[in-house]
Amino acid sequence: DQQVKQNSPSLSVQEGRISILNCDYTNSMFDYFLWYKKYPAEGPTFLISISSIKDKNEDGRFTVFLNKSAKHLSLHIVPSQPGDSAVYFCAAGGGADGLTFGKGTHLIIQP
Amino acid sequence: NAGVMQNPRHLVRRRGQEARLRCSPMKGHSHVYWYRQLPEEGLKFMVYLQKENIIDESGMPKERFSAEFPKEGPSILRIQQVVRGDSAAYFCASSPAGGRNQPQHFGDGTRLSIL
Repeated sequence: DQQVKQNSPSLSVQEGRISILNCDYTNSMFDYFLWYKKYPAEGPTFLISISSIKDKNEDGRFTVFLNKSAKHLSLHIVPSQPGDSAVYFCAAGGGADGLTFGKGTHLIIQP
Repeated sequence: NAGVMQNPRHLVRRRGQEARLRCSPMKGHSHVYWYRQLPEEGLKFMVYLQKENIIDESGMPKERFSAEFPKEGPSILRIQQVVRGDSAAYFCASSPAGGRNQPQHFGDGTRLSIL
């Protein structure tokens, strides 16, 4: 039973446009959400997080939106750059415990 | 390099052998987490440790797998009598003390292959 779902295995976006990656969760106990970026043969790199008391967090080109009633979060990257091509993982947790990850979305930025 | 260090990066074992994976957390971090990633899957939580204590091992298989984080030295994930199904990438992450809602930072993983 997947508690964190990323329903798009891949996404292709033109360079300079906005990339929107989506994530849904089922566990109401989650109160902390994170996005990680991963290149092949490397570990996940932390990008941005959001606590359940907020609905938006912004860091440079990256913005995460949280809709608690819909149990949905999204990552917006604008403008998209070639170096953004990677697999993006959504993760959720509560407290200082293990995170639950989605299966990832492979983002491809086309020139 | 002040990041999470894992070694070895690649480990090959024959069925029935033991595998030992090491993880040194980021400087100043006292919380360590181990995850396993199978091909085309997300990372699955295995165990959460603080120095000399296992806090949560709810994701660890009940047999053959063990983890420790001694007072001195790296955290070790140990797999005894490995089987083909243990082939995966194993990632370690760390976070600071007082770690509620702190991001976990990951190492580059150990890729374990079982012949």
